[in-house]
Amino acid sequence: KQEVTQIPAALSVPEGENLVLNCSFTDSAIYNLQWFRQDPGKGLTSLLLIQSSQREQTSGRLNASLDKSSGRSTLYIAASQPGDSATYLCAVMDNAGNMLTFGGGTRLMVKP
Amino acid sequence: DVKVTQSSRYLVKRTGEKVFLECVQDMDHENMFWYRQDPGLGLRLIYFSYDVKMKEKGDIPEGYSVSREKKERFSLILESASTNQTSMYLCASSSIAGLSYNEQFFGPGTRLTVL
Repeated sequence: KQEVTQIPAALSVPEGENLVLNCSFTDSAIYNLQWFRQDPGKGLTSLLLIQSSQREQTSGRLNASLDKSSGRSTLYIAASQPGDSATYLCAVMDNAGNMLTFGGGTRLMVKP
Repeated sequence: DVKVTQSSRYLVKRTGEKVFLECVQDMDHENMFWYRQDPGLGLRLIYFSYDVKMKEKGDIPEGYSVSREKKERFSLILESASTNQTSMYLCASSSIAGLSYNEQFFGPGTRLTVL
């Protein structure tokens, strides 16, 4: 059964820092990997999706990489801002393309 | 933009009541999903549907049922609500067509409290 782990569980950084969030998964037979953002009490917002054949995706200050063979993904946030404070979740989709398995999330706080 | 809406943001029900949670998506997506999210347990899949009138069990289907009579609407039913079903419920949808790569889009969530 797929297991997804995110480290660290919580992170606090000063504004302006570049930071990396980590995600690891146990079964490399995946269809894709998604990174989400969740604000307190709200739903999930899709940030980036990386297909299994891709190595990275970029959107604005966000860059996500995927190393399927080692079971790892990273989310890089450049020049962090207080508005980036949220919980970031990674999720991997099974090879059938149906079910997502989520990590526990990294709670990020960016201090002004 | 994809829009997934859920019928209620907050809901309070009593033990034993029958509870309906409704989800509607406006992008003609084939797949729809129901998750629950609990502190320390993360997001867990309850049921999903890949077509009208079709359903598949997820990781934790016990105590729940679902209904998909129309493509845009997916309902989660708690036949007899219990206190351990107090949770945040999240609906999502995705498309298998074209270059969407099954990206899942989520609704705002329904926080259900069962007293």
